[in-house]
Amino acid sequence: GQSLEQPSEVTAVEGAIVQINCTYQTSGFYGLSWYQQHDGGAPTFLSYNALDGLEETGRFSSFLSRSDSYGYLLLQELQMKDSASYFCAVRDDKIIFGKGTRLHILP
Amino acid sequence: EAQVTQNPRYLITVTGKKLTVTCSQNMNHEYMSWYRQDPGLGLRQIYYSMNVEVTDKGDVPEGYKVSRKEKRNFPLILESPSPNQTSLYFCASSFTGGSEKLFFGSGTQLSVL
Repeated sequence: GQSLEQPSEVTAVEGAIVQINCTYQTSGFYGLSWYQQHDGGAPTFLSYNALDGLEETGRFSSFLSRSDSYGYLLLQELQMKDSASYFCAVRDDKIIFGKGTRLHILP
Repeated sequence: EAQVTQNPRYLITVTGKKLTVTCSQNMNHEYMSWYRQDPGLGLRQIYYSMNVEVTDKGDVPEGYKVSRKEKRNFPLILESPSPNQTSLYFCASSFTGGSEKLFFGSGTQLSVL
């Protein structure tokens, strides 16, 4: 079967750095994506890794290790507006999402 | 403005009454997909379409139908809704099935009584 595992909740302090991990098990693999979803909103695309290594986009970075079937999303200089759920997703023949990580940010 | 448009935003219905949730995108995307989101279960794929007249089952297709007669539209049909289909539904599209970036509609909150 296919599965993605990520923590259900993470808590961090405003201004700090937080890492959200994702491990996957799929029959095929093209790349790992990350999406952000605020309460009551639709998921929005954050980043994508097809190759091993780190991709940086502003305060957000995403990392992939294909040999370990593992990736993470790194959020720096946390702001209150980053409070949201974060989903990892992989594409095999279809695009599959993890169950999401709820990020709580403390002032 | 590039967007995925879903309608209706909210829908309350009764068991067995056929309904359709519409989805339209104006970005000439080939790939379209439907997901349902339930607390603690994340986004689960119902059906997807790689192009016109091509549809495939996702992980939870039972009780749903789709069609892709035109590139821009991908309606979700519930022939005989049941209470376990009460959920938040999202339509999404991307340029191709291999594209990493999905664009999501604003969602449809469906309640089946």
